[in-house]
Amino acid sequence: GENVEQHPSTLSVQEGDSAVIKCTYSDSASNYFPWYKQELGKRPQLIIDIRSNVGEKKDQRIAVTLNKTAKHFSLHITETQPEDSAVYFCAAIKDTGFQKLVFGTGTRLLVSP
Amino acid sequence: DGGITQSPKYLFRKEGQNVTLSCEQNLNHDAMYWYRQDPGQGLRLIYYSQIVNDFQKGDIAEGYSVSREKKESFPLTVTSAQKNPTAFYLCASRNPGQGDQETQYFGPGTRLLVL
Repeated sequence: GENVEQHPSTLSVQEGDSAVIKCTYSDSASNYFPWYKQELGKRPQLIIDIRSNVGEKKDQRIAVTLNKTAKHFSLHITETQPEDSAVYFCAAIKDTGFQKLVFGTGTRLLVSP
Repeated sequence: DGGITQSPKYLFRKEGQNVTLSCEQNLNHDAMYWYRQDPGQGLRLIYYSQIVNDFQKGDIAEGYSVSREKKESFPLTVTSAQKNPTAFYLCASRNPGQGDQETQYFGPGTRLLVL
């Protein structure tokens, strides 16, 4: 089955810096890759996702890139702000029929003012 | 996310007691999921259901049970066999195979504590 590895487990940056979180997946048939942000004590919320037919997707300060050959995808946050501090989870799924998302282990991002 | 509700927000369990966590969705989603999250840890899948009257074990199903009698409801029972149930429980739902509508949404969670 699918396996997703996420790095780093913790990431500390200064406000205004960029942050990059990387995930690798094992099943080359996976074709949908969402990213979730979870603030302390809250539910995970989708911030961006990408499908295997595109290589990059942007939404304001957030972008996701996908390298199907290498089987890895990354979350890029530019001009970080303290409110970006949270735990970020990547996930992958082979979205044919009924499948389940496989999540990475999470990255705790701390943005210092 | 507002289409999924969980209750209660906090739940206290005594030793040897079974407790049931509620999850309801009005998103007309076919698939529903239960995850357990321990402090500072990731999401572990307990059970999932792809359709009414059908469900499958996830990675940590021991000590838990579920039912899916209605499309909009997927309650989770934490049985006395689960010896360490203290955790944050998250319910989720999605519509598989629906293109851009496949997003998985999470409920607000139930925090279970053992007395």
